[in-house]
Amino acid sequence: EPEVTQTPSHQVTQMGQEVILRCVPISNHLYFYWYRQILGQKVEFLVSFYNNEISEKSEIFDDQFSVERPDGSNFTLKIRSTKLEDSAMYFCASSRSNQAFHGYTFGSGTRLTVV
Amino acid sequence: AQRVTQPEKLLSVFKGAPVELKCNYSYSGSPELFWYVQYSRQRLQLLLRHISRESIKGFTADLNKGETSFHLKKPFAQEEDSAMYYCALRRETSGSRLTFGEGTQLTVNP
Repeated sequence: EPEVTQTPSHQVTQMGQEVILRCVPISNHLYFYWYRQILGQKVEFLVSFYNNEISEKSEIFDDQFSVERPDGSNFTLKIRSTKLEDSAMYFCASSRSNQAFHGYTFGSGTRLTVV
Repeated sequence: AQRVTQPEKLLSVFKGAPVELKCNYSYSGSPELFWYVQYSRQRLQLLLRHISRESIKGFTADLNKGETSFHLKKPFAQEEDSAMYYCALRRETSGSRLTFGEGTQLTVNP
């Protein structure tokens, strides 16, 4: 069964540094998402991406965040200047369409620790 | 704004017992409801979606618009059902976000 692949699985970075989280969505999927889960809290939506542009973003997704699909296969999330509160599990997801019966496929996540 | 509530953070049952994980939502439109499961150290996996009216691994969930609920049920719990379960809602507009509940950690004891 096709999978969404995320790298790295763990990332430790110093406060103020830039990080790039990488995701390879399923090849025939057209909709891409980033979610995050702070330890002990619920999974929160960050951003959705379709047709090479952001289609929706949450209030969490401020100017420190950006997304890109640089080469038609990778889908990246960049945090420009990390803060301690950015420490979380970051999940990438993709979907073939916007129809509910297709659902989302999630990656296994990247655990980001900001020290 | 939409909201999903899972009132039980922890739920513990014995093997063979019935289990019900509660999910309530608030949304003024016609939502799409899902249940996701996360086994220990694994990724979030789609378990059920309300429009499919399917049964996966013995689990079922019925959307009750009157009570704004989408409770997950299984008549006979198995030890391998132990996991974190998340209820999620999506608005009917295309490509929109999933809003998750806080999750319920289900433990099925032998």
